[in-house]
Amino acid sequence: QLQLHESGPGPVKPSETLSLTCTVSGDSITSSNYFWVWTRLPPGKGLEWIGSFYYGGTTYSNPSLRGRLTMSIDTSKSQFTLNLNSVTAADTAVYYCARGNKGGYTYGGFLDVWGQGTMVAVSS
Amino acid sequence: QLELTQSPSASASLGASVKLTCTLGGVHDNYAIAWHQKQPDKGPRYLMKVNDDGTHIRGDGIPDRFSGTSSGHDRYLIISSLQSEDEADYYCQTWDSGIQVFGGGTKLTVL
Repeated sequence: QLQLHESGPGPVKPSETLSLTCTVSGDSITSSNYFWVWTRLPPGKGLEWIGSFYYGGTTYSNPSLRGRLTMSIDTSKSQFTLNLNSVTAADTAVYYCARGNKGGYTYGGFLDVWGQGTMVAVSS
Repeated sequence: QLELTQSPSASASLGASVKLTCTLGGVHDNYAIAWHQKQPDKGPRYLMKVNDDGTHIRGDGIPDRFSGTSSGHDRYLIISSLQSEDEADYYCQTWDSGIQVFGGGTKLTVL
């Protein structure tokens, strides 16, 4: 059974870079049927999509974060990573990784497995 | 521009049924969506995919108390025989090419 586990630095200072890792276990991270997604849940707000990574290198990101976001994959460790630079208090949230199921689409699909999340607080 | 609209809150009594709505905006009505449940202190859980033809596909282990259907631009999540653990936030999610979109979520209270 596929499991996802997020890990991160804990507190981050404003203007620094936030780096998160999602470890995938129980299935292959290289399957062409799936893609890998970062989302977040800011306090008191709703879920927000951050970006998606497709094995092969194609990425899509939320326009509101474009320019600050880098995603990558390490198949040897079965991990995918998120780097968000120049963080502010507005980036404080619980960050979740998820698997996207293409369901026959070339890009996009529904998120069918989620991690438990990791809290990131941006504070000086 | 693709968007999903959900009512902020809903409530129903223990043992009753409730129907949550997610409305597609800015696009044709042929989009599928997915429903996710977010309980406090837990990661979101995928419930089902709801197609534009009204069919739905539940995720692994999701009880058949949870069902979905469609009408025009509206996508529905129906929960029957409500239990206390169904009290949660419910989000709909869709996509257009590589862009993912979430609705604002509905907070369900079980009375």
